[in-house]
Amino acid sequence: ELKVEQNPLFLSMQEGKNYTIYCNYSTTSDRLYWYRQDPGKSLESLFVLLSNGAVKQEGRLMASLDTKARLSTLHITAAVHDLSATYFCAVDLGGSEKLVFGKGTKLTVNP
Amino acid sequence: AAGVIQSPRHLIKEKRETATLKCYPIPRHDTVYWYQQGPGQDPQFLISFYEKMQSDKGSIPDRFSAQQFSDYHSELNMSSLELGDSALYFCASSVLSRNEQFFGPGTRLTVL
Repeated sequence: ELKVEQNPLFLSMQEGKNYTIYCNYSTTSDRLYWYRQDPGKSLESLFVLLSNGAVKQEGRLMASLDTKARLSTLHITAAVHDLSATYFCAVDLGGSEKLVFGKGTKLTVNP
Repeated sequence: AAGVIQSPRHLIKEKRETATLKCYPIPRHDTVYWYQQGPGQDPQFLISFYEKMQSDKGSIPDRFSAQQFSDYHSELNMSSLELGDSALYFCASSVLSRNEQFFGPGTRLTVL
C-alpha cells in the first residue's frame, strides 16, 4: 500500500524567510504532484514532477523529485503572506491511477 | 480554458436522505476521478472511470455508487446519508495518456 508522508504538518514562518516542506513516499513512483489549497477551495496544481532529478520553479516556490530516495521537496524562498495555504503532495503509481495524498502542510506566513 | 464543472456547489441533506453529485470533465478528457475530503483531512480517492467503465475503486462505501455517461459526465449517487458523509467532494479529470488530474471546484455536502 502506497503511503505518503509530509512534514511538517504545520508551519508558521515570518515573511522573508526560507523553508522546505518534505514529502516521502513508500513505493516506487516517478510521478509526483504538488497542490495548493485555500480554505474551502479546490486543489490548484502547482507542479508536476515526472522524472528523477526533476526540478521546477514558479515564483517563490521550487519543487524537486528524487525517485531513488522517494523524496520530494517544496522550497519556499522569501515567503510572503499570499503563500499562506495548505500544500499537498500527491503520488500516483502511473497510468491513470488514483492519487494518494499526503496529510498536507498548513503554511501560515506572518507579517 | 475550460475547467471541470461540478454541481451543485453546496448541498444540505438530512440523515438517511439521498444525494446526487454531478461532474462535467474538461472537454476531450476521458477519465474521471472522485475524491472525498473531510474537514482538515487530505483528499481520499473514491472511484474512477475511463471511457465509461469503472477503472479503479478506493474507499467508497457500499451506499455510494457512480457512473460515467456517454458524454463523459459522471454522477456520484449517495444513499442513506450519514453525518460522517459531510465533506467536500471533488471530481477530477484527465486525458489517459497525459495523466495529470485537474480538479473541479468541489461540492460541499452537509448532512444534518
